[in-house]
Amino acid sequence: EVVLTQSPGTLSLSPGERATLSCRASQSVSSSYLAWYQQKPGQAPRLLIYGASSRATDIPDRFSGSGSGTDFTLTITRLEPEDFAVYYCQQYGSSPWTFGQGTKVEI
Amino acid sequence: EVQLVESGGGLVQPGGSLRLSCAASGFTFSSYWMYWVRQAPGKGLVWVSRVNSDGSFTSYADSVKGRFTISRDNAKNTLYLQMNSLRAEDTAVYYCVRGVTMATITPFYYWGQGSLVTVSS
Repeated sequence: EVVLTQSPGTLSLSPGERATLSCRASQSVSSSYLAWYQQKPGQAPRLLIYGASSRATDIPDRFSGSGSGTDFTLTITRLEPEDFAVYYCQQYGSSPWTFGQGTKVEI
Repeated sequence: EVQLVESGGGLVQPGGSLRLSCAASGFTFSSYWMYWVRQAPGKGLVWVSRVNSDGSFTSYADSVKGRFTISRDNAKNTLYLQMNSLRAEDTAVYYCVRGVTMATITPFYYWGQGSLVTVSS
């Protein structure tokens, strides 16, 4: 099983600042099958990034993903008020699909 | 518009059973793999199970293997999760999920609103 470890656990920032979230895998993620999701309280997760760096439909370009192998990063260039949420990485290249424990981006 | 609507959640005693349903609309249900993902209160996301488009292949997380059964009725556009021998640690919101594409390997794109299952005496 691929274990994903996200850091930091919580990121305290202000609107307009840059956020850098890390996701490290216990083994290489097949073909960069790595996704990022955003979840707000009481809502289902929303897909932001897939294939490590491709933005999903209607996702603003302030969100970007990078990385390969075992190290991946989600960057939010200028935080908007609606970006404060919990972010999860997920690998979907090998079963069982696994998620990181999440990074909370708070004001 | 793609819609996934779960139902069937509720309070059940340890050792009991519950069946979740997910009514799908807005897409050709019979062409897509479908998934169940759960989230315990205040915790992270955990993949539970998947089924292929015609229901002939299924797989499960180790934590539910032998207790949960995923199935689908393509004529009714409905996904199911039969949960037996429920434990307190199965308490969670259960999401019905569809991938971006019909491929076996796909990230999760469409999510239902979730159905809360509480296992407690």
